[in-house]
Amino acid sequence: DTGVSQNPRHKITKRGQNVTFRCDPISEHNRLYWYRQTLGQGPEFLTYFQNEAQLEKSRLLSDRFSAERPKGSFSTLEIQRTEQGDSAMYLCASSLAGRTGELFFGEGSRLTVL
Amino acid sequence: QKEVEQDPGPLSVPEGAIVSLNCTYSNSAFQYFMWYRQYSRKGPELLMYTYSSGNKEDGRFTAQVDKSSKYISLFIRDSQPSDSATYLCATMNRDDKIIFGKGTRLHILP
Repeated sequence: DTGVSQNPRHKITKRGQNVTFRCDPISEHNRLYWYRQTLGQGPEFLTYFQNEAQLEKSRLLSDRFSAERPKGSFSTLEIQRTEQGDSAMYLCASSLAGRTGELFFGEGSRLTVL
Repeated sequence: QKEVEQDPGPLSVPEGAIVSLNCTYSNSAFQYFMWYRQYSRKGPELLMYTYSSGNKEDGRFTAQVDKSSKYISLFIRDSQPSDSATYLCATMNRDDKIIFGKGTRLHILP
């Protein structure tokens, strides 16, 4: 399977714990996006990378959220001191620069904070 | 005002009908417009990608952009039960950030 891969698919955690999600994009794609989606809403932009450079981070994202793409390949999204409001589906997508609107999404990582 | 507005539905239509899904956007500088389809518990998948105004057709799907009224539409002909999903319109700003609408839930009734 050469699509976008996300792990874990589902994470249940207690409030205050840290969680980390991983995204493996399509290998030749240099752009990588993170989105958050809650029930009944469209995907909400969090951040995106071109290769290893983080180009933009949403102002809605608190300091508890951090994302990395250390070698321009896979990416991690870490949420520190989770809160119940962080419960959502976290979606990763990749694309080729120049064909940016053509996002290829993974199946998402669902976070439940108890 | 949200950058992309979309009626969440749900929209229920009988099989075989023509479906019309619509969005409005706020920024006249937007040039790229997309429609994504999302099945339950899956990530969105790209359906249509258009640049500027006009129509684009792909099989049973037609995307339409009217920049003068900042209105984008997706038409589905001969709708099938397998078309039941959430349809997300999206646009791209000058910083290459893709902005999505809330999505419209569509049910095709057999």
